[in-house]
Amino acid sequence: SAVISQKPSRDICQRGTSLTIQCQVDSQVTMMFWYRQQPGQSLTLIATANQGSEATYESGFVIDKFPISRPNLTFSTLTVSNMSPEDSSIYLCSVEDQGRNYGYTFGSGTRLTVV
Amino acid sequence: QKEVEQDPGPLSVPEGAIVSLNCTYSNSAFQYFMWYRQYSRKGPELLMYTYSSGNKEDGRFTAQVDKSSKYISLFIRDSQPSDSATYLCAMSQTGANNLFFGTGTRLTVIP
Repeated sequence: SAVISQKPSRDICQRGTSLTIQCQVDSQVTMMFWYRQQPGQSLTLIATANQGSEATYESGFVIDKFPISRPNLTFSTLTVSNMSPEDSSIYLCSVEDQGRNYGYTFGSGTRLTVV
Repeated sequence: QKEVEQDPGPLSVPEGAIVSLNCTYSNSAFQYFMWYRQYSRKGPELLMYTYSSGNKEDGRFTAQVDKSSKYISLFIRDSQPSDSATYLCAMSQTGANNLFFGTGTRLTVIP
């Protein structure tokens, strides 16, 4: 399975500021996925990031709020912009698991608290 | 109605017990069914996946899918304290990358 390194692991941010989360994979992957895990809620897909093209956002998520970069096949960033306390959540990146017939590998997540 | 429903628990069992975790879903197009285990402050880790209906066994873990009832289960035999974690069901359609997750069931196995 791929190994994903995600930074930062946690942060406390002031409202109105932005935070960029980094995701590094130890192998080249076509697609990288960004999820949000709010307290008591299910993991929800924010967007899919392909190298060399615009990210595809799910309903309820917009590029202005969650800009994504995908400069190469092993790296992606997610920015949470103009943060409010409602953005307090765990953000996780994920890639398709190349070592199995099916499945996805997740990073350890970024625990974000907005005050 | 949520796409995937899962009892959040918490569920507490003694060591050695058989644990049953369940999810129901509403979208009949789901074909891939997964169970993830998530330890505190870690990302989800894939435990089992099943395509369409049927059973799949891996060591102490058995996954069952009943598409006619839109119901999936994960059984853990001879549960161990190391099984204490949150268990997430997830599912997707063929050709789609979007996984739909349950909210997770927090399990504690007491020594």
